[in-house]
This record gives sequence, C-alpha cells and structure tokens, in this order.
Amino acid sequence: GAGVSQSPRYKVAKRGQDVALRCDPISGHVSLFWYQQALGQGPEFLTYFQNEAQLDKSGLPSDRFFAERPEGSVSTLKIQRTQQEDSAVYLCASSLRLVNGDTQYFGPGTRLTVL
Amino acid sequence: DQQVKQNSPSLSVQEGRISILNCDYTNSMFDYFLWYKKYPAEGPTFLISISSIKDKNEDGRFTVFLNKSAKHLSLHIVPSQPGDSAVYFCAAIPPNTGNQFYFGTGTSLTVIP
Repeated sequence: GAGVSQSPRYKVAKRGQDVALRCDPISGHVSLFWYQQALGQGPEFLTYFQNEAQLDKSGLPSDRFFAERPEGSVSTLKIQRTQQEDSAVYLCASSLRLVNGDTQYFGPGTRLTVL
Repeated sequence: DQQVKQNSPSLSVQEGRISILNCDYTNSMFDYFLWYKKYPAEGPTFLISISSIKDKNEDGRFTVFLNKSAKHLSLHIVPSQPGDSAVYFCAAIPPNTGNQFYFGTGTSLTVIP
C-alpha cells in the first residue's frame, strides 16, 4: 500500500519567505508527527497530532513555525519569515494508534534550504 | 541536552561478520526503544524494537540488547550484508508522551564486500 508521502521533496527559499510543507500520512493512521533533522543530526521532534487535534507542539523552535491537520489526514507545516537556521530536512511520520511503541512510518522528507 | 547518544558516527565491517551498533541514554524513564535504518534521500524505516521489560529481542539477522542498569542498548547484525550499509538511528520513548520519539545522532554503517 501507499506509504507516507511529502511534498515538495526539495524547497529553496529566500530568507524572509514563507514556506508550506505537506504531509500525506498512511490512510487510517490516527497519529501524525513532524520532525526536523539538521545535517549530521538525528531527527528532532517538533509536534504531533491525534486526528485533527494538535496534542503537543513543544518542539516547535519558534512562533514562526505552525502546523495544522484540519481534517485529521493531510498535514501542513508552515514556516513564516524563514531564516538560514531553518535549513534542514523536515520529516513527517504517521502511526496507526497513539500508543507508546507503535511503529512510526516516515516519509522521505522535505529538504529545505534557506538562502 | 541530548538524551539519546550514539557515540560512533561511523562503523565499517566486512561482509559476513557481525556489526554491533551502540546507543546510550540518560533518561531512566524511557520505556520503549527502537532502531531505524535510513538510506540516502529516504525516510527512516523501522527495523526492530524492544520494551524496557525485556533485555533481548531478535528478528532474523537483527538482535537488540537492552541493559537498563547501564542505560545502554545495542543492535547486532549477523551476518552483515552489503545491503545493510545505511545510517542507523536508535530512538527511545518516555511513557505518557503520545509516542514521542527521541532519536540519537546516528551511526553510518558500511559493510565491505
């Protein structure tokens, strides 16, 4: 079946530009997670949803970052007024349930480069 | 602060031999641990997991060992194959956080034919 998809795969933005990154989770998956992976680092948690409810956004680095999942399926991560330190791969993952240990299935990521 | 650490950024192993990847953690409350494998330009894919109530879990060529007293886990791959060459991340989950993963920085494994 289809896995998690993300678009665009690559995004180049000028500093100060707004960007929107899309995630299509596996159909029927209740939970959706966003991670930021800087070069040479592991993925770092940003936020997660259970259906349409955003239950934790403690990992969002600043108020320029905003995520939504209005209908409990597709999610968008928006970054306003991008800065060079926002350059990273943004990974989306989904899991069937919101149970500790449930496997998270990752998309290929969106590589954001801010010039 | 980094709660999950992988202190070896890279590892090279001869095909057919054992690969041992290590991971240390600082939070004794973590109750679930996973290993993910990542190829370039792809997202991480799940490999194997272990609950904190166990000390070993095996799946084919892959075995994960957990030493809670040392706050250490390791992934053994036997025998190693060239297709195993990838970056391996360990991840840990604290209880009651909605399945939030804490990842290590990764170890790049190269299996030499």
